[in-house]
Amino acid sequence: AQKITQTQPGMFVQEKEAVTLDCTYDTSDPSYGLFWYKQPSSGEMIFLIYQGSYDQQNATEGRYSLNFQKARKSANLVISASQLGDSAMYFCAMREGGPNFNKFYFGSGTKLNVKP
Amino acid sequence: DADVTQTPRNRITKTGKRIMLECSQTKGHDRMYWYRQDPGLGLRLIYYSFDVKDINKGEISDGYSVSRQAQAKFSLSLESAIPNQTALYFCATSDQNRNEQFFGPGTRLTVL
Repeated sequence: AQKITQTQPGMFVQEKEAVTLDCTYDTSDPSYGLFWYKQPSSGEMIFLIYQGSYDQQNATEGRYSLNFQKARKSANLVISASQLGDSAMYFCAMREGGPNFNKFYFGSGTKLNVKP
Repeated sequence: DADVTQTPRNRITKTGKRIMLECSQTKGHDRMYWYRQDPGLGLRLIYYSFDVKDINKGEISDGYSVSRQAQAKFSLSLESAIPNQTALYFCATSDQNRNEQFFGPGTRLTVL
């Protein structure tokens, strides 16, 4: 079974609007971490935001927030006030196990296009 | 200077050739990883190492081998390259106290 599922291969959003990128995950481990990375056309992988399975509050980093719904096993990325520079591939990832077991799984990605 | 470097950045080779991709890091992290990225499949873990004496297979280790020469160096080898190993390869690092992985710039490998 897929550990990480991103069901939106591509998304369009108007500049300055908010957009939600979906991510669901599958694990039976009670301790895990969820991540979002951005990959611009230049190819590098840029860390955006992290949510731990025991974190009580949703993570936020500037214009990025993570809508963590544990019971539904979803970890959607919300980008507020989209900018043209947000156009990129976005990957959801999960780390299973405690801090000593950093094995990561990545989703297939969502390509976001921000329209002017 | 980049914290995680990969060499070469691009490589074109022929079927059957032995190829080594190298990764170096100056972050002082214990953990190092090799991934490949194919269009539509995201990143898949090939091998990972938690320290110099620890090497573990990931999802897709067949056809690959690795060497952790030092804490800062982790090499990926393709003993006999085949065309379906054409992909973008990423090295990454993390330490046990941080939550995110830090990626190198990637190596684009083409096997003809």
